[in-house]
Amino acid sequence: GQQVMQIPQYQHVQEGEDFTTYCNSSTTLSNIQWYKQRPGGHPVFLIQLVKSGEVKKQKRLTFQFGEAKKNSSLHITATQTTDVGTYFCAGGTGNNRKLIWGLGTSLAVNP
Amino acid sequence: DGGITQSPKYLFRKEGQNVTLSCEQNLNHDAMYWYRQDPGQGLRLIYYSQIVNDFQKGDIAEGYSVSREKKESFPLTVTSAQKNPTAFYLCASSRTSGSSYNEQFFGPGTRLTVL
Repeated sequence: GQQVMQIPQYQHVQEGEDFTTYCNSSTTLSNIQWYKQRPGGHPVFLIQLVKSGEVKKQKRLTFQFGEAKKNSSLHITATQTTDVGTYFCAGGTGNNRKLIWGLGTSLAVNP
Repeated sequence: DGGITQSPKYLFRKEGQNVTLSCEQNLNHDAMYWYRQDPGQGLRLIYYSQIVNDFQKGDIAEGYSVSREKKESFPLTVTSAQKNPTAFYLCASSRTSGSSYNEQFFGPGTRLTVL
């Protein structure tokens, strides 16, 4: 079946270091969304990428969608303790509004 | 104040009992979703509904049932047939606009523990 693999599963960084999480799909995606879930909380939408090769930035966060629309990445520059949480990617493959979710990358930041 | 509400936040039930989780939204969204989250497993789709009186099975629908009688409400029943019901249950909703995807808004979740 369709899958979205997300790596790494866990990442522990020192505050100020950079962080990247990657998503890879077995099939071409129509779009990819990124969500953040704080510990004990619920997922919150961060961004959606739709176009091949698209790059979007939100302050210290940079999101990329691959040329083949099969992979995506989220890069955080100079992490802060407020970045702690689990980052999920979720891809759309058609028009049935059903997203395929990655397993998430849990980020821990040492102050 | 618009949003999605789920109640209760914590729920305890004895094995063999059915239990219904509530999900209400006042965002005027057509689509609603139920997910189950287990540690290290990400989000798994149980059921989703794109319009009132219609819903589709997700990836792990066995042992669950839903109804969508009103646009605002999408209750989930965890039946006694669900083998491992203890989990964190998340409800979400989204707009529907043509064939494009829209962001999903999540409720705070319900932690169900079956004893």
